[in-house]
Amino acid sequence: DAKTTQPTSMDCAEGRAANLPCNHSTISGNEYVYWYRQIHSQGPQYIIHGLKNNETNEMASLIITEDRKSSTLILPHATLRDTAVYYCIVRGRNAGGTSYGKLTFGQGTILTVHP
Amino acid sequence: DTEVTQTPKHLVMGMTNKKSLKCEQHMGHRAMYWYKQKAKKPPELMFVYSYEKLSINESVPSRFSPECPNSSLLNLHLHALQPEDSALYLCASSQESSGIGDIQYFGAGTRLSVL
Repeated sequence: DAKTTQPTSMDCAEGRAANLPCNHSTISGNEYVYWYRQIHSQGPQYIIHGLKNNETNEMASLIITEDRKSSTLILPHATLRDTAVYYCIVRGRNAGGTSYGKLTFGQGTILTVHP
Repeated sequence: DTEVTQTPKHLVMGMTNKKSLKCEQHMGHRAMYWYKQKAKKPPELMFVYSYEKLSINESVPSRFSPECPNSSLLNLHLHALQPEDSALYLCASSQESSGIGDIQYFGAGTRLSVL
């Protein structure tokens, strides 16, 4: 699976949009971008995933560049409860091409939302 | 209901003890996972069960022994652990392990300390 690069940490003011970047310049055509987050002392929580089109759900929006080499997770109105580690994960097919492989977590971005 | 329940929440054990971690889900998911997370590190996959059969073992030492008694339950049996095995152990489940839209739901974890 392609490797991802994320900033170590970011800050955001409460009520403002949080834009979390992820670089995945070696992504291949059949690999998806997933985002999970982990709030302190809890298990990871799924946020969103996408292939090439932008995606939006009740939690966030995912913007993937046209060349698919990077993406941005957008939390439109950050709250204090959004303080967490955010993981960008690229997931592709197994070597046999018959199924999709495991989730491999990188170091993630520590997002701190300030009052 | 997207709940994965792990018990106990905390566990302290000696190196000669035998203990078990338990995980339960009632979402009808057919894939279940064990992850290990050391402090300030991302989760690392240990085992995957798909349709109650072990499908992935990430070269985990034999002192960790997984068991899937039925589709709702997953156990991790611990024996002769070392202090470096102290970590947060996370359980997750998903509808099945190979689909690209497959979303893993995580429990809150068991925090294990080996003395």
